[in-house]
Amino acid sequence: KQEVTQIPAALSVPEGENLVLNCSFTDSAIYNLQWFRQDPGKGLTSLLLIQSSQREQTSGRLNASLDKSSGRSTLYIAASQPGDSATYLCAVMPMGGGSQGNLIFGKGTKLSVKP
Amino acid sequence: ETGVTQSPTHLIKTRGQQVTLRCSSQSGHNTVSWYQQALGQGPQFIFQYYREEENGRGNFPPRFSGLQFPNYSSELNVNALELDDSALYLCASSPTGTSGYTGELFFGEGSRLTVL
Repeated sequence: KQEVTQIPAALSVPEGENLVLNCSFTDSAIYNLQWFRQDPGKGLTSLLLIQSSQREQTSGRLNASLDKSSGRSTLYIAASQPGDSATYLCAVMPMGGGSQGNLIFGKGTKLSVKP
Repeated sequence: ETGVTQSPTHLIKTRGQQVTLRCSSQSGHNTVSWYQQALGQGPQFIFQYYREEENGRGNFPPRFSGLQFPNYSSELNVNALELDDSALYLCASSPTGTSGYTGELFFGEGSRLTVL
């Protein structure tokens, strides 16, 4: 059974710091991995999608890497800003799940960036 | 391009009642998935609809049911509500089977259900 774990559960950093959020999964047979941002009481905003054949994706100050063999992904945020404060969720789509929409989520990392 | 929209945004029900939540998929998206997110947890997959048929289901009892309509919009129905059904219900859409499909899901803002 696929399980997704995110460490740390919460993180507080001063503005301007570079930071890394970690995600691990137990079964390497994945179709893709997505990172999402969730503001309190709101829906999910897709940040980055990494296909199983890819090693990393970048968007602005965000960079996500994927190491399928070790079951790990990291989300790197450069030069953090107070507006980055949110919960970051990692989710994997199991192989064969491309047509079944079954994302398996971690519990998230709650990030607070202090001015 | 209109994104995924959900209604209502908030609602309060009592135990034993029934609730219907609605979702309009993003333009051009033929697949809708529903997720339940309890406070402090990650979303849990309920089920997915493709071409008006249920196409995958998570570990949820039969009192959770759904529909998809010809315009790809969808409903989630929950009967005999229990206190533990209190959660944020998220809808996601995707363009399954279309050119360039990547498996990426696009989520709405959710419907917050409180069961008293």
